[in-house]
Amino acid sequence: AQSVTQLDSQVPVFEEAPVELRCNYSSSVSVYLFWYVQYPNQGLQLLLKYLSGSTLVESINGFEAEFNKSQTSFHLRKPSVHISDTAEYFCAVTPGDRDDKIIFGKGTRLHILP
Amino acid sequence: ETGVTQSPTHLIKTRGQQVTLRCSSQSGHNTVSWYQQALGQGPQFIFQYYREEENGRGNFPPRFSGLQFPNYSSELNVNALELDDSALYLCASSLSPGANTGELFFGEGSRLTVL
Repeated sequence: AQSVTQLDSQVPVFEEAPVELRCNYSSSVSVYLFWYVQYPNQGLQLLLKYLSGSTLVESINGFEAEFNKSQTSFHLRKPSVHISDTAEYFCAVTPGDRDDKIIFGKGTRLHILP
Repeated sequence: ETGVTQSPTHLIKTRGQQVTLRCSSQSGHNTVSWYQQALGQGPQFIFQYYREEENGRGNFPPRFSGLQFPNYSSELNVNALELDDSALYLCASSLSPGANTGELFFGEGSRLTVL
């Protein structure tokens, strides 16, 4: 069965500093990979996704993630964080040949320090 | 375009009771998935409905059941509530399975507390 591991439950980082949220998945087949964000008291929103093609994907608010098949990773990065990035971030995976079930990691809480 | 809406937003039940949660999918979406998000955890897949039929189920007991209606709205029913059922229940709609976009559109959830 597929699984997603987010190694850090919480990541504190100073405002305007870079951040990396780590995600590893277990799968031997092609996959689709996602990062979802959950702001306080809200539902989840898609941040970015990898389906195929370029292994580097970007969001509209400056986040990027790189699909690394050999390391089965899909780490999320941002070169300079803002206080508004405070949220919980979930990495997720689904098999590339069917999308009937998306599996989520346990989440990483990004805490921006002033 | 109307997004995913869920009701009620909050509710409190006692052990042994039954609960029904409702979800209206986003316009143009015919697939609804339900997730349970316990405090401090990621969403856990309960089941998915496509064209009024169950299309995949996670590791949840049969007392978790669902329905999808012709207008693609959906219900999640939980019988014989247990304390561990306390969680945020998320509904997500999407294009049909096989559309290969993989994107879910989530509602804000129904927070269930079981006392």
